[in-house]
Amino acid sequence: QKEVEQDPGPLSVPEGAIVSLNCTYSNSAFQYFMWYRQYSRKGPELLMYTYSSGNKEDGRFTAQVDKSSKYISLFIRDSQPSDSATYLCAMSVSSSNTGKLIFGQGTTLQVKP
Amino acid sequence: GAVVSQHPSWVICKSGTSVKIECRSLDFQATTMFWYRQFPKQSLMLMATSNEGSKATYEQGVEKDKFLINHASLTLSTLTVTSAHPEDSSFYICRAAPGTVNEKLFFGSGTQLSVL
Repeated sequence: QKEVEQDPGPLSVPEGAIVSLNCTYSNSAFQYFMWYRQYSRKGPELLMYTYSSGNKEDGRFTAQVDKSSKYISLFIRDSQPSDSATYLCAMSVSSSNTGKLIFGQGTTLQVKP
Repeated sequence: GAVVSQHPSWVICKSGTSVKIECRSLDFQATTMFWYRQFPKQSLMLMATSNEGSKATYEQGVEKDKFLINHASLTLSTLTVTSAHPEDSSFYICRAAPGTVNEKLFFGSGTQLSVL
């Protein structure tokens, strides 16, 4: 069993839809959770960073963490064609930058105009 | 935000040749840099952790004699793929941080290596 599971998709939605992206994990020691957006042939860029259960909102993005269920989600409201990308979840045990990040497989999202 | 510059963005080489990829932190000093490999439709896999002035730490299964990592300064780390073969074709990405917390990590733009 992989430490982090993420549905690879692809996920196709119409513009303006609410998108839900999810990851499950098996290691209860994970404390820090991240969502990255990666455009084709580019490096990932950090969208959201959370370290506790609950919700964190930033503009159209909401990150949700449920440690009891070992489940994290990223919601995108009013999705735009420019949101079309691969979304990677990542998590770590430590907040230190030397801590190992474990990535999900990535979910490919396409938002159609 | 901090910028991590990675070059080249795309390289095609013949089997048996060596390829060098550079990763530079443009506006901060990075004591530690990380190198990842990403195959199509797959996750980022950590290859090695590079510390300025010391030998890199490689992940299990990564051949250190094939993937040479040098971190000669606080702003530059290089990954050299020696005697490249078609199975080495992949997307290689570096990651660096200006401080000590992983919230402030930044990825380079990646290098697509194609070995013919």
